[in-house]
Amino acid sequence: SYELTQPPSVSVSPGQTASITCSGDVLPDKYMYWYQQKPGQAPVMVIYKDSERPSGIPARFSGSTSGTTATLTINGVQAEDEADYYCQSAISRDIPVLFGGGTKLTVL
Amino acid sequence: EVRLVESGGGPVKPGESLRLSCEASGFSFSTFSMNWVRQAPGKGLEWVSSITSKSSFIYYTDSVKGRFTISRDNAKNSLYLQMDNLRVEDTAVFYCVRGFGNDGGDLWGQGTLVTVSS
Repeated sequence: SYELTQPPSVSVSPGQTASITCSGDVLPDKYMYWYQQKPGQAPVMVIYKDSERPSGIPARFSGSTSGTTATLTINGVQAEDEADYYCQSAISRDIPVLFGGGTKLTVL
Repeated sequence: EVRLVESGGGPVKPGESLRLSCEASGFSFSTFSMNWVRQAPGKGLEWVSSITSKSSFIYYTDSVKGRFTISRDNAKNSLYLQMDNLRVEDTAVFYCVRGFGNDGGDLWGQGTLVTVSS
């Protein structure tokens, strides 16, 4: 079976840089997407096609890929960035959507 | 306003059925693939099902195949999920999501809670 693996948690102090990784064998051939979910709210896409930022998403959010690992980077983390972050990719025609297990970002 | 609004969730017993609906507004619904994604309490996101714009292609995660049926009515700007033979492990918030093609899941509804318990 296919998997996208994320660290369960990442902690960072305000103003520092947070990096959240997502690894999976399919990554060299597929785009990666990232979603932010705050408690009690629906997810919001923050990165699409590996590194593109949707309209309205702050420039401190960026994405990159290298081999089988994708990384969501948040520069100058703010308290409001505390949330769960999920990576997502497409695996095959029959599995068009696969999520990573999620990473809880804590702003200390 | 561009939005998705789910409805139809609620408490049911194991083995019972439920039909979720998602009403779209503010965009050309008939040109987008649509999806259902669920999230069990305290757990991560799980893709459930996808349907292409003209219902030509439909996909399900293995755990719901044969029990759930996704459909859409483009004339009514609506997406549906018929859930039969519900199990305790189907308890989750169900989200209606636009896209998941190359542009990702760019629009999410607020979710509707399905609780399966005896």
